Amino acid sequence: EAQVTQNPRYLITVTGKKLTVTCSQNMNHEYMSWYRQDPGLGLRQIYYSMNVEVTDKGDVPEGYKVSRKEKRNFPLILESPSPNQTSLYFCASIKYSGGNNEQFFGPGTRLTVL
Amino acid sequence: TQLLEQSPQFLSIQEGENLTVYCNSSSVFSSLQWYRQEPGEGPVLLVTVVTGGEVKKLKRLTFQFGDARKDSSLHITAAQTGDTGLYLCAGLTGNQFYFGTGTSLTVIP
Repeated sequence: EAQVTQNPRYLITVTGKKLTVTCSQNMNHEYMSWYRQDPGLGLRQIYYSMNVEVTDKGDVPEGYKVSRKEKRNFPLILESPSPNQTSLYFCASIKYSGGNNEQFFGPGTRLTVL
Repeated sequence: TQLLEQSPQFLSIQEGENLTVYCNSSSVFSSLQWYRQEPGEGPVLLVTVVTGGEVKKLKRLTFQFGDARKDSSLHITAAQTGDTGLYLCAGLTGNQFYFGTGTSLTVIP
């Protein structure tokens, strides 16, 4: 079954404690992306990766890091989380073919930073 | 940067009514997508439109891409309770996706 998995699904942490949210896809897509979703703001792209070892900043990259060492995995790293990073995070794997693209989203990770 | 504005933000209608959701921008997009999101889940793609002026139909849903590829609309005919959800538009420019602010639709039986 084609899917995107994220872990953990829920996380409560404290300011400054480094954390990693994992994302994995089994569709062999080259393009992967991280978004955060906040009320009234829709989804905003944090970072994206067009291929292994290639990452680019999205709209809101401050405070986040990513890596793409292999095609299937795209972890999101918060080196020193702050309360304004409390949000719902989605990883997406994208079938990118010029005009007709399709984004497959993971189930989401709800992060609370105290 | 909020490139895509959706309206209305909230919509509550009776089953059987028609509705239209708008997605507007001052930017040009190479393609535009509509997604529906259920509570506790990730968005699911409904349609992608690519050509200016393009109209696509998906059962009771009609999607239109503006001639200038800056805006789009989603029209639902005879809404059903199963249409309840958050509707999101997303535009692609360069290699980046920009999502709209979302329209929360509630269809009342």
